[in-house]
Amino acid sequence: KAGVTQTPRYLIKTRGQQVTLSCSPISGHRSVSWYQQTPGQGLQFLFEYFSETQRNKGNFPGRFSGRQFSNSRSEMNVSTLELGDSALYLCASSTDTGNTEAFFGQGTRLTVV
Amino acid sequence: GENVEQHPSTLSVQEGDSAVIKCTYSDSASNYFPWYKQELGKRPQLIIDIRSNVGEKKDQRIAVTLNKTAKHFSLHITETQPEDSAVYFCAARGGYQKVTFGTGTKLQVIP
Repeated sequence: KAGVTQTPRYLIKTRGQQVTLSCSPISGHRSVSWYQQTPGQGLQFLFEYFSETQRNKGNFPGRFSGRQFSNSRSEMNVSTLELGDSALYLCASSTDTGNTEAFFGQGTRLTVV
Repeated sequence: GENVEQHPSTLSVQEGDSAVIKCTYSDSASNYFPWYKQELGKRPQLIIDIRSNVGEKKDQRIAVTLNKTAKHFSLHITETQPEDSAVYFCAARGGYQKVTFGTGTKLQVIP
């Protein structure tokens, strides 16, 4: 069974631009969560989608948004990029029961210059 | 919201020794506590998890203990090997609430 797939793997953007990242979950998984990982900050929760609805949201500004499609694929968008948005963005998928293992993708490395 | 604190941030042990990483959480409603291992340049992967109706769980050289009264849980790795070198994250979740991760422990096993 295919794992969680994130595209693209690497991105370089300029301040002020916007970016869209994609996550394809494991087949049958309906929950997709997004995390920002930076050195020293660990894994910061962005949001979680389940059946096309945002189920949980972290403490990030409104420039960070996401959505989920009917096939459970998810996208996250960051508008008006700032240098501090440079990070590894990870998504994780899981089944629809709350307390089960989350499987992570390999991440998208975003660099803002 | 939930707050998870993890200690130590770095840990060096000699090969064959044991390693212990400790986490505390704040929300008494949390009932699921996974541990993830992230090797350099790779994705986090679940190594063990525990639910609140269990006090201890073992899987070969890895064990996790949970003290719900004190709101803390720990990861124990025995007979450490160089391939155990990685960053370890604890996490806590209650029902369908968001998963809150600790800040990570960088474990170095010295051959």
